[in-house]
Amino acid sequence: EDQVTQSPEALRLQEGESSSLNCSYTVSGLRGLFWYRQDPGKGPEFLFTLYSAGEEKEKERLKATLTKKESFLHITAPKPEDSATYLCAVQAGSGGSNYKLTFGKGTLLTVNP
Amino acid sequence: SQTIHQWPATLVQPVGSPLSLECTVEGTSNPNLYWYRQAAGRGLQLLFYSVGIGQISSEVPQNLSASRPQDRQFILSSKKLLLSDSGFYLCAWMRGVGKLFFGSGTQLSVL
Repeated sequence: EDQVTQSPEALRLQEGESSSLNCSYTVSGLRGLFWYRQDPGKGPEFLFTLYSAGEEKEKERLKATLTKKESFLHITAPKPEDSATYLCAVQAGSGGSNYKLTFGKGTLLTVNP
Repeated sequence: SQTIHQWPATLVQPVGSPLSLECTVEGTSNPNLYWYRQAAGRGLQLLFYSVGIGQISSEVPQNLSASRPQDRQFILSSKKLLLSDSGFYLCAWMRGVGKLFFGSGTQLSVL
Protein backbone atom coordinates (compact mmCIF):
# COMPACT_ATOMS: atom_id res chain seq x y z
CA GLU A 1 0.00 0.00 0.00
CA ASP A 2 1.29 3.43 -0.97
CA GLN A 3 2.09 5.69 1.98
CA VAL A 4 2.94 9.38 2.31
CA THR A 5 4.11 10.99 5.56
CA GLN A 6 4.59 14.73 5.89
CA SER A 7 6.47 16.60 8.59
CA PRO A 8 6.16 18.76 10.50
CA GLU A 9 2.38 18.87 10.91
CA ALA A 10 2.57 22.63 11.50
CA LEU A 11 5.30 25.20 11.03
CA ARG A 12 5.41 28.83 12.09
CA LEU A 13 7.95 31.14 10.45
CA GLN A 14 8.74 34.81 10.58
CA GLU A 15 8.62 36.65 7.29
CA GLY A 16 11.96 36.10 5.56
CA GLU A 17 12.87 33.02 7.61
CA SER A 18 13.65 30.20 5.17
CA SER A 19 12.79 26.57 5.96
CA SER A 20 11.87 23.19 4.45
CA LEU A 21 8.91 20.84 4.54
CA ASN A 22 9.45 17.09 4.31
CA CYS A 23 7.51 14.38 2.49
CA SER A 24 8.63 10.77 2.86
CA TYR A 25 6.97 8.09 0.75
CA THR A 26 6.74 4.40 -0.02
CA VAL A 27 5.23 3.41 -3.35
CA SER A 28 5.50 0.50 -5.76
CA GLY A 29 7.08 2.12 -8.78
CA LEU A 30 6.89 5.89 -8.52
CA ARG A 31 5.20 7.49 -11.49
CA GLY A 32 5.27 10.95 -9.99
CA LEU A 33 5.40 12.97 -6.77
CA PHE A 34 3.27 16.07 -6.53
CA TRP A 35 3.02 19.14 -4.34
CA TYR A 36 -0.21 21.05 -3.84
CA ARG A 37 -1.11 24.17 -1.91
CA GLN A 38 -4.46 24.44 -0.10
CA ASP A 39 -5.95 27.64 1.32
CA PRO A 40 -8.64 27.37 4.05
CA GLY A 41 -12.06 26.37 2.70
CA LYS A 42 -10.77 25.79 -0.83
CA GLY A 43 -9.67 22.89 -2.98
CA PRO A 44 -5.95 22.14 -3.35
CA GLU A 45 -4.04 23.89 -6.12
CA PHE A 46 -1.32 22.11 -8.09
CA LEU A 47 2.26 23.36 -7.63
CA PHE A 48 4.84 20.84 -8.92
CA THR A 49 5.40 17.40 -10.41
CA LEU A 50 8.66 15.51 -9.82
CA TYR A 51 9.31 12.31 -11.73
CA SER A 52 12.74 10.99 -10.74
CA ALA A 53 15.39 11.27 -8.03
CA GLY A 54 17.57 14.33 -8.44
CA GLU A 55 14.90 16.38 -10.15
CA GLU A 56 14.17 19.92 -8.92
CA LYS A 57 11.39 22.38 -9.74
CA GLU A 58 11.11 26.05 -8.77
CA LYS A 59 8.32 28.58 -8.63
CA GLU A 60 8.87 31.99 -7.07
CA ARG A 61 9.98 31.34 -3.45
CA LEU A 62 9.32 27.59 -3.61
CA LYS A 63 11.69 24.84 -4.70
CA ALA A 64 10.81 21.14 -4.66
CA THR A 65 13.42 18.38 -4.69
CA LEU A 66 13.17 14.59 -4.89
CA THR A 67 15.23 11.63 -3.68
CA LYS A 68 14.37 7.93 -3.82
CA LYS A 69 12.70 8.10 -0.40
CA GLU A 70 11.58 11.67 0.18
CA SER A 71 10.86 15.09 -1.20
CA PHE A 72 11.50 18.51 0.24
CA LEU A 73 9.67 21.75 -0.37
CA HIS A 74 12.10 24.57 0.35
CA ILE A 75 10.63 28.00 1.07
CA THR A 76 13.06 30.88 0.69
CA ALA A 77 12.35 34.21 2.37
CA PRO A 78 8.64 33.45 2.84
CA LYS A 79 5.95 36.11 2.91
CA PRO A 80 2.63 36.04 4.80
CA GLU A 81 0.80 35.18 1.57
CA ASP A 82 2.70 31.86 1.52
CA SER A 83 0.65 30.78 4.55
CA ALA A 84 -1.34 27.68 3.57
CA THR A 85 -1.44 23.92 3.96
CA TYR A 86 1.05 22.18 1.65
CA LEU A 87 0.12 18.69 0.52
CA CYS A 88 2.35 16.02 -0.95
CA ALA A 89 1.01 13.15 -3.06
CA VAL A 90 2.37 10.17 -5.00
CA GLN A 91 1.10 8.26 -7.99
CA ALA A 92 2.18 4.66 -8.53
CA GLY A 93 3.29 3.59 -11.95
CA SER A 94 2.02 0.05 -11.95
CA GLY A 95 -1.08 -1.99 -11.34
CA GLY A 96 -4.55 -0.66 -10.81
CA SER A 97 -3.39 2.29 -8.75
CA ASN A 98 -1.94 4.29 -11.63
CA TYR A 99 -5.09 6.39 -11.90
CA LYS A 100 -5.06 7.66 -8.35
CA LEU A 101 -2.99 9.81 -6.03
CA THR A 102 -2.24 9.05 -2.39
CA PHE A 103 -1.97 12.22 -0.29
CA GLY A 104 -0.17 12.99 2.94
CA LYS A 105 -1.94 14.84 5.74
CA GLY A 106 -0.18 18.08 4.90
CA THR A 107 1.92 20.72 6.64
CA LEU A 108 0.16 23.85 7.87
CA LEU A 109 2.52 26.75 7.24
CA THR A 110 1.98 30.09 8.96
CA VAL A 111 4.21 33.03 8.07
CA ASN A 112 4.01 35.93 10.47
CA PRO A 113 4.76 39.50 9.29
CA SER B 1 -10.09 26.51 -20.73
CA GLN B 2 -11.29 23.82 -18.38
CA THR B 3 -13.45 24.55 -15.35
CA ILE B 4 -14.96 22.35 -12.68
CA HIS B 5 -18.18 23.17 -10.88
CA GLN B 6 -19.22 21.64 -7.58
CA TRP B 7 -22.30 22.37 -5.49
CA PRO B 8 -23.59 23.11 -2.97
CA ALA B 9 -20.81 24.91 -1.08
CA THR B 10 -22.21 24.05 2.35
CA LEU B 11 -24.78 21.53 3.50
CA VAL B 12 -26.24 20.68 6.89
CA GLN B 13 -28.14 17.40 6.98
CA PRO B 14 -29.71 15.31 9.75
CA VAL B 15 -28.53 11.78 10.42
CA GLY B 16 -30.40 9.28 8.24
CA SER B 17 -31.21 11.75 5.46
CA PRO B 18 -30.15 11.21 1.82
CA LEU B 19 -27.30 13.02 0.08
CA SER B 20 -26.60 14.09 -3.47
CA LEU B 21 -23.53 16.13 -4.44
CA GLU B 22 -22.98 17.02 -8.07
CA CYS B 23 -19.86 17.91 -10.02
CA THR B 24 -19.51 18.90 -13.66
CA VAL B 25 -16.45 19.61 -15.77
CA GLU B 26 -16.34 21.91 -18.78
CA GLY B 27 -13.79 22.26 -21.54
CA THR B 28 -12.51 18.68 -21.72
CA SER B 29 -13.82 15.30 -22.80
CA ASN B 30 -13.56 11.86 -21.18
CA PRO B 31 -11.78 13.15 -18.06
CA ASN B 32 -10.77 10.91 -15.16
CA LEU B 33 -13.00 12.09 -12.29
CA TYR B 34 -12.49 11.77 -8.55
CA TRP B 35 -14.32 12.27 -5.25
CA TYR B 36 -12.14 12.97 -2.22
CA ARG B 37 -13.12 13.62 1.39
CA GLN B 38 -11.08 15.70 3.80
CA ALA B 39 -11.80 15.23 7.50
CA ALA B 40 -10.00 16.94 10.35
CA GLY B 41 -6.69 15.21 11.08
CA ARG B 42 -7.11 12.62 8.31
CA GLY B 43 -5.94 14.32 5.15
CA LEU B 44 -7.39 13.77 1.70
CA GLN B 45 -9.07 10.38 1.38
CA LEU B 46 -9.94 9.05 -2.08
CA LEU B 47 -13.53 7.80 -2.14
CA PHE B 48 -14.29 7.03 -5.78
CA TYR B 49 -12.77 7.50 -9.20
CA SER B 50 -14.10 7.05 -12.70
CA VAL B 51 -12.30 6.64 -16.02
CA GLY B 52 -15.47 6.72 -18.13
CA ILE B 53 -19.27 6.79 -18.21
CA GLY B 54 -20.70 4.14 -15.92
CA GLN B 55 -17.22 3.06 -14.72
CA ILE B 56 -16.83 3.62 -10.99
CA SER B 57 -14.07 2.35 -8.72
CA SER B 58 -14.64 2.45 -4.97
CA GLU B 59 -11.72 2.89 -2.62
CA VAL B 60 -13.38 2.87 0.79
CA PRO B 61 -16.27 0.57 1.84
CA GLN B 62 -18.96 2.80 3.32
CA ASN B 63 -22.53 3.96 2.84
CA LEU B 64 -21.62 6.30 -0.02
CA SER B 65 -21.98 5.60 -3.73
CA ALA B 66 -21.01 7.40 -6.91
CA SER B 67 -22.40 7.55 -10.43
CA ARG B 68 -21.30 9.00 -13.74
CA PRO B 69 -24.39 9.36 -15.91
CA GLN B 70 -22.69 11.63 -18.46
CA ASP B 71 -19.12 12.10 -19.63
CA ARG B 72 -18.49 15.23 -17.58
CA GLN B 73 -20.87 14.68 -14.66
CA PHE B 74 -19.98 12.91 -11.42
CA ILE B 75 -22.45 12.44 -8.56
CA LEU B 76 -21.84 11.38 -4.96
CA SER B 77 -24.82 9.93 -3.11
CA SER B 78 -25.96 8.35 0.10
CA LYS B 79 -29.31 6.84 1.07
CA LYS B 80 -28.80 7.45 4.81
CA LEU B 81 -26.13 9.75 6.19
CA LEU B 82 -24.10 8.91 9.29
CA LEU B 83 -22.40 11.33 11.67
CA SER B 84 -19.06 10.04 10.39
CA ASP B 85 -19.93 11.27 6.88
CA SER B 86 -19.27 14.86 7.94
CA GLY B 87 -16.34 16.46 6.15
CA PHE B 88 -15.14 18.53 3.22
CA TYR B 89 -15.95 16.81 -0.07
CA LEU B 90 -13.91 17.61 -3.13
CA CYS B 91 -14.47 16.68 -6.76
CA ALA B 92 -11.51 16.70 -9.13
CA TRP B 93 -10.44 15.80 -12.64
CA MET B 94 -6.99 14.72 -13.75
CA ARG B 95 -4.96 16.04 -16.65
CA GLY B 96 -1.84 14.17 -17.65
CA VAL B 97 0.20 12.55 -14.90
CA GLY B 98 -1.05 13.41 -11.42
CA LYS B 99 -2.19 16.94 -12.13
CA LEU B 100 -5.53 17.19 -10.35
CA PHE B 101 -7.83 20.16 -10.71
CA PHE B 102 -10.17 20.45 -7.76
CA GLY B 103 -13.59 22.00 -7.37
CA SER B 104 -14.32 24.49 -4.62
CA GLY B 105 -15.60 21.78 -2.29
CA THR B 106 -18.73 21.06 -0.23
CA GLN B 107 -18.60 21.35 3.54
CA LEU B 108 -21.03 18.71 4.83
CA SER B 109 -22.16 18.70 8.44
CA VAL B 110 -24.28 15.76 9.57
CA LEU B 111 -26.11 16.49 12.82
